[in-house]
Amino acid sequence: AQKITQTQPGMFVQEKEAVTLDCTYDTSDPSYGLFWYKQPSSGEMIFLIYQGSYDQQNATEGRYSLNFQKARKSANLVISASQLGDSAMYFCAMREASSGGYQKVTFGTGTKLQVIP
Amino acid sequence: NAGVMQNPRHLVRRRGQEARLRCSPMKGHSHVYWYRQLPEEGLKFMVYLQKENIIDESGMPKERFSAEFPKEGPSILRIQQVVRGDSAAYFCASSPGVSRNEQFFGPGTRLTVL
Repeated sequence: AQKITQTQPGMFVQEKEAVTLDCTYDTSDPSYGLFWYKQPSSGEMIFLIYQGSYDQQNATEGRYSLNFQKARKSANLVISASQLGDSAMYFCAMREASSGGYQKVTFGTGTKLQVIP
Repeated sequence: NAGVMQNPRHLVRRRGQEARLRCSPMKGHSHVYWYRQLPEEGLKFMVYLQKENIIDESGMPKERFSAEFPKEGPSILRIQQVVRGDSAAYFCASSPGVSRNEQFFGPGTRLTVL
């Protein structure tokens, strides 16, 4: 089974509109973390936002918020007021305990977001 | 505080040559992770190292690939006898510990095998 599933290979959004990028995960570890990274065309990986499994509130960082629904095992990224510079690949990732006792991070396949002027 | 540094940023090798990719973690970080990103795909875990120790190499191909993180100096990912299928972006990430911290990524090395 996939650990991290991003079902939207590509998304379009109008500039200044909000957009939600989907991410579901699968783990039996009670303590885990979820991340979103942005990868623009230049190729670097930019950390956006983190949500811990025990965090009571949804994480927010500026225009980014994480819609964390623990029972549904989803961690969708919401980008408000989209900007042209938001056009990029977006990766969801999960940190969980490995069999070796350390934290291992698994990435989804990504969603390509294109913001339309 | 400098971020994670990787060099070279771009590397071109002919089939059969060796590729050496370097990663200097952020100051204070003693945990290094290598990932490979094939074209149009996500990142795949390769190996996790601490100083002088390989903790998990379950994502490394069994042959031709090796990694080290010596007591002094950068972490090295070494690919011997490269083949065209090794063409990819190789990312290094570092973290200060194993607990709850996010991994900070370097800019990546783009390897092209001719």
